[in-house]
Amino acid sequence: ILNVEQSPQSLHVQEGDSTNFTCSFPSSNFYALHWYRWETAKSPEALFVMTLNGDEKKKGRISATLNTKEGYSYLYIKGSQPEDSATYLCALPNQGGKLIFGQGTELSVKP
Amino acid sequence: DTAVSQTPKYLVTQMGNDKSIKCEQNLGHDTMYWYKQDSKKFLKIMFSYNNKELIINETVPNRFSPKSPDKAHLNLHINSLELGDSAVYFCASSQGADRARKLFFGSGTQLSVL
Repeated sequence: ILNVEQSPQSLHVQEGDSTNFTCSFPSSNFYALHWYRWETAKSPEALFVMTLNGDEKKKGRISATLNTKEGYSYLYIKGSQPEDSATYLCALPNQGGKLIFGQGTELSVKP
Repeated sequence: DTAVSQTPKYLVTQMGNDKSIKCEQNLGHDTMYWYKQDSKKFLKIMFSYNNKELIINETVPNRFSPKSPDKAHLNLHINSLELGDSAVYFCASSQGADRARKLFFGSGTQLSVL
């Protein structure tokens, strides 16, 4: 059973702070890792899909790194803004092709 | 234009009824999914269709039946609704069934069974 764990469960930061959170997964049989951003009352939106060990992806102030050997990915947000407030989901496909989601990290950015 | 649209957004119904949720995508994708957000807010896959063919059928009661009339549509029919079916259901699509393809989600249907 593929277990995808995200930490912390929730995070409260001030506007302008930089922050990061973690997605942990079993390092065996890795295929890909997805990051999604999910704003309240909206639909999850894909940020990155990463496949290679050492991958780094960037989209504006958000970036992600991947370490498949040790089984983790970090998502970084530089200079957090209130509009970054959302739940950030990590997901990995299992061998059957099903995308298994973590519970998410709920980020709240206060002005 | 909404890329993945699902209707209705809210569905309130009585136990025992039969209801449908519709999903349409205009992205030209060939793979569509239904996810359920469970009580702990996890997104869990229910079904996946690729080119109108069922490719993933998770352990879901057979009261739930997906129907894909064409690649752009994947509807979810639920018979004999039960209280425990209350949840938010999300439709999604991707270009291909490859596990590295990002998913595009609809905005969800909140189902409340009374």
